[in-house]
Amino acid sequence: AQSVAQPEDQVNVAEGNPLTVKCTYSVSGNPYLFWYVQYPNRGLQFLLKYITGDNLVKGSYGFEAEFNKSQTSFHLKKPSALVSDSALYFCAVRDNTGGFKTIFGAGTRLFVKA
Amino acid sequence: DAGVTQSPTHLIKTRGQQVTLRCSPKSGHDTVSWYQQALGQGPQFIFQYYEEEERQRGNFPDRFSGHQFPNYSSELNVNALLLGDSALYLCASSASGGAGETQYFGPGTRLLVL
Repeated sequence: AQSVAQPEDQVNVAEGNPLTVKCTYSVSGNPYLFWYVQYPNRGLQFLLKYITGDNLVKGSYGFEAEFNKSQTSFHLKKPSALVSDSALYFCAVRDNTGGFKTIFGAGTRLFVKA
Repeated sequence: DAGVTQSPTHLIKTRGQQVTLRCSPKSGHDTVSWYQQALGQGPQFIFQYYEEEERQRGNFPDRFSGHQFPNYSSELNVNALLLGDSALYLCASSASGGAGETQYFGPGTRLLVL
């Protein structure tokens, strides 16, 4: 069965410092991995995805994520956090065994302090 | 280019009533998925529609049904509403390229069941 874990409910970081939001997954086949961000009372905005190829994926707003197959992880990173990055971040997974069902993690709230 | 749109934005119903939510996909997309996001949780997959057929379904009861029209827009119907159906309902659209396609989300419909 597919599953996604985001082990931290909240991440606090000072503006200008690097940030990491963690995600681990479990799938039957090869994973398709996604990161989305949600601002208050809004839908989800797509940040980046890993399908195949380079393990380091670059996305919107300066975010990147590193796919690690051996650790089954897909951590979201940004070299220098902005106050405006404060939001709720979701990791999601599908696999290549024919299903279209996307499994989302419970979310991690990122708080960037000025 | 209009993104994914949903209507209405908010809805209040009482237990036992029925509700219909509507979604128009992003231009060029032919696949629509519906998700339920309860407060403080990640989105949960309800079902996906492609070519006017339900292609895959999550763990939701038959009270949840849907429809896709020839113009790719979609409806989510929920019968016999329960208090636990109170949530943000998200629609996501994608192109029909396979499980690796990116889903783009609408702003959601917030349903309150009293």
